[in-house]
Amino acid sequence: GENVEQHPSTLSVQEGDSAVIKCTYSDSASNYFPWYKQELGKGPQLIIDIRSNVGEKKDQRIAVTLNKTAKHFSLHITETQPEDSAVYFCAASKASGAGNMLTFGGGTRLMVKP
Amino acid sequence: NAGVTQTPKFRILKIGQSMTLQCTQDMNHNYMYWYRQDPGMGLKLIYYSVGAGITDKGEVPNGYNVSRSTTEDFPLRLELAAPSQTSVYFCATGLAGTGELFFGEGSRLTVL
Repeated sequence: GENVEQHPSTLSVQEGDSAVIKCTYSDSASNYFPWYKQELGKGPQLIIDIRSNVGEKKDQRIAVTLNKTAKHFSLHITETQPEDSAVYFCAASKASGAGNMLTFGGGTRLMVKP
Repeated sequence: NAGVTQTPKFRILKIGQSMTLQCTQDMNHNYMYWYRQDPGMGLKLIYYSVGAGITDKGEVPNGYNVSRSTTEDFPLRLELAAPSQTSVYFCATGLAGTGELFFGEGSRLTVL
């Protein structure tokens, strides 16, 4: 089955700096790569996603890049703010009639210091 | 529109007890999932359902059972609770043809 590795497990940055979180996946058939943000005491919430026919996607201060050949994808957050502090999860899945089953990475705890 | 509602939010069980975690949604989504999240780990899929009357195992189904008699409800049953089942459990929903999952706020279970 699919295996998703995520690094780093913790990341501390100063407010205003950029943050980068990286993930690798094992199944070359995976074609959908979402990123979820989990705030304390809450369930994960989708912040951005990318499909395998696209190399980069941007939404305001966040962007995701995908390298299908190397089987890795990254989340980039620019101009970080204290409210960006949370746990971020990457995930991967492939189109299946059995449901969109995501395999998650282990998570990155991002701390933005004011 | 409440989204995905999980109950209870917290529960302590003794070894060998059983209980049911409830999940209900008002989003009319056909897909529903149960994940568990262990400290410092990602989410692991326990069971999922693509529609009423249809369920299937995920990555870590042992010790759990589910049912899906309606579109709205997807309860997770723990039989003979064990300390290894101490975790935070998340229910999620999704629409066929899209990738986004919508998560509940979680149920924290401790087995002592």
